[in-house]
Amino acid sequence: DTGVSQDPRHKITKRGQNVTFRCDPISEHNRLYWYRQTLGQGPEFLTYFQNEAQLEKSRLLSDRFSAERPKGSFSTLEIQRTEQGDSAMYLCASSPGTPVYQYFGPGTRLLVL
Amino acid sequence: KNEVEQSPQNLTAQEGEFITINCSYSVGISALHWLQQHPGGGIVSLFMLSSGKKKHGRLIATINIQEKHSSLHITASHPRDSAVYICAVRGVSGGSNYKLTFGKGTLLTVNP
Repeated sequence: DTGVSQDPRHKITKRGQNVTFRCDPISEHNRLYWYRQTLGQGPEFLTYFQNEAQLEKSRLLSDRFSAERPKGSFSTLEIQRTEQGDSAMYLCASSPGTPVYQYFGPGTRLLVL
Repeated sequence: KNEVEQSPQNLTAQEGEFITINCSYSVGISALHWLQQHPGGGIVSLFMLSSGKKKHGRLIATINIQEKHSSLHITASHPRDSAVYICAVRGVSGGSNYKLTFGKGTLLTVNP
């Protein structure tokens, strides 16, 4: 399977715990995006990488959120001290250098109790 | 007001009906995307448009840049078309020409 993969697919955690999600993009894609989607809403942009450089962070990304793409391949999104409002689907997408289609992973569904 | 508005929010149709989903946006764009999301979360890109019209199978997407409006049509709808259809736009230049801004989606249910 050469598509975008995300791990885990589901995560249940207690408020205050830290969680980390992983995204593996399509191998030749140098652009990687994280989005968050809450129930009944469209996805919202969180952050964007070109290779290993994080070029933009949304205002939605509070100080508790951090994302990395250390070698320009896979990316991780960490949420520290989770809150119930963090419950959402976290989507990763990748695209080649020229902005065309973005290819989405299956998402990680987070539930904070 | 959201930058991307879709209508209707929910749509129920009988198998075989012609479906239209509308998208209006308020900003300058370099491209408009239509995406499909099935229960469970997976998102698939259907079309990317910067002008005119595109067709793929039973799906047709049109865009009117002057009116800042796009439509997605499904001909001869089938229950397997049941999904959420999302409109998203990509900005014109600089930092906005790569990230997508999404509408809330239209939940389509096609009954047999």
